[in-house]
Amino acid sequence: DQQVKQNSPSLSVQEGRISILNCDYTNSMFDYFLWYKKYPAEGPTFLISISSIKDKNEDGRFTVFLNKSAKHLSLHIVPSQPGDSAVYFCAASGNFGNEKLTFGTGTRLTIIP
Amino acid sequence: GAGVSQSPSNKVTEKGKDVELRCDPISGHTALYWYRQSLGQGLEFLIYFQGNSAPDKSGLPSDRFSAERTGGSVSTLTIQRTQQEDSAVYLCASTLALDTQYFGPGTRLTVL
Repeated sequence: DQQVKQNSPSLSVQEGRISILNCDYTNSMFDYFLWYKKYPAEGPTFLISISSIKDKNEDGRFTVFLNKSAKHLSLHIVPSQPGDSAVYFCAASGNFGNEKLTFGTGTRLTIIP
Repeated sequence: GAGVSQSPSNKVTEKGKDVELRCDPISGHTALYWYRQSLGQGLEFLIYFQGNSAPDKSGLPSDRFSAERTGGSVSTLTIQRTQQEDSAVYLCASTLALDTQYFGPGTRLTVL
C-alpha cells in the first residue's frame, strides 16, 4: 500500500510564479516529513523538512505546510526559477527506531521561462 | 569525502549473474540506508545499518539480496542470481544520529 502519495506526476509553472506541490499520507505514526529534489542521474538532495509539532517551516523561497488532521503537506516555491525544474519527492518517517524514509512517487516540476 | 559516493555508477549484467554494489558514506555518519527506485516508482527502502549491524532488513525483496557493512563505513549490497525485475537505480544514504539522510548518486542496474 502506498503510505505516501503524490497524486500529480507532473506540474508546469511559469517562471516567477508560485509552484505548489502536494503530498498526502495515510500512516498517522509519521511525525517527520521531508522534501527532496532530484535531478536526472543524481541522487535526491534534501530540500526542507517539518516536524509534526509544527504546521509551517520556511527556508528562503521554500515553505512547507503541514495539515495533520488532513494528513496533507505541501511545498511552496516562490518565486519559481528555471533551476527549480526537477523531480520532487515527499518523504515521511516516524519513531520506528530506524527512521527509514517512506517516499512518494514524485512530481516532475517544469518551470517555463 | 565530501558526500556519499557509490560505485559503479552503471552496471549491466546478464540474468542469473551476481552483482555487488558499493556505498561509501559520509565520514563519521553512523547510519546507512539502501533504497532502490524502479522505473516510475518512488524510492523503496531496502535495509538500514546502525554501525555494522542491520536492525532492519525488512525491505529486502528476497533472499537473493544481502548487504553488509564493515568498519562502520563502507557497505556492499549483493544481489545473487539477478532477475530482470531487479533492474532499478540503487541509492545509498547516510546520516548522523537519525538526522536528515544524504544520498549518493546511485547505481543504475540493468539486468538483460
